[in-house]
Amino acid sequence: KNEVEQSPQNLTAQEGEFITINCSYSVGISALHWLQQHPGGGIVSLFMLSSGKKKHGRLIATINIQEKHSSLHITASHPRDSAVYICAVALGAGSYQLTFGKGTKLSVIP
Amino acid sequence: NAGVTQTPKFRILKIGQSMTLQCAQDMNHNYMYWYRQDPGMGLKLIYYSVGAGITDKGEVPNGYNVSRSTTEYFPLRLELAAPSQTSVYFCASSYSKGYDLDEQFFGPGTRLTVL
Repeated sequence: KNEVEQSPQNLTAQEGEFITINCSYSVGISALHWLQQHPGGGIVSLFMLSSGKKKHGRLIATINIQEKHSSLHITASHPRDSAVYICAVALGAGSYQLTFGKGTKLSVIP
Repeated sequence: NAGVTQTPKFRILKIGQSMTLQCAQDMNHNYMYWYRQDPGMGLKLIYYSVGAGITDKGEVPNGYNVSRSTTEYFPLRLELAAPSQTSVYFCASSYSKGYDLDEQFFGPGTRLTVL
């Protein structure tokens, strides 16, 4: 069974700080997703990656397939980044299911 | 595009009642999913569909049924509601070719309480 572990569970940062959220998984995967869940409950997809690194604005996602580990970085954090960040993995080719981590709750204080 | 829409937003059911959670997408996505999110837990897949007329069970299908007669709609049916089905339900969709899953687009969620 694939397990997805995120750390930390909760994170409080000052505005402007560099933030890192980690995700580890236990079996081989075909892709990893990072999602953001807003305080109101809505969920949006941030990244989908299977190797290397992706960048979108102040967000950067990296993945190391050999180490079964991914990180989500937020540069120059802002209070509007406050949300729950969720890591999810897709198993090998032919799997239609995502396994989700429990999320990391980020609070950015002005 | 409206994206993925869900109705209702909130619902309270009594034990033993039935209801249908509605989900629609206007992006012509072939894949659709139903998830539930319980406090402190990760999202769990209930059912999914890879196209009209094709559905399959996810990780937690007991107590639920689905149908997909068209590309756009993917309703989730709860029969004989139980307190254990109190949760937030999310519908999602994606466009996938072959074996590669693409990013998923989520609806706003339905908060269901069974008393």
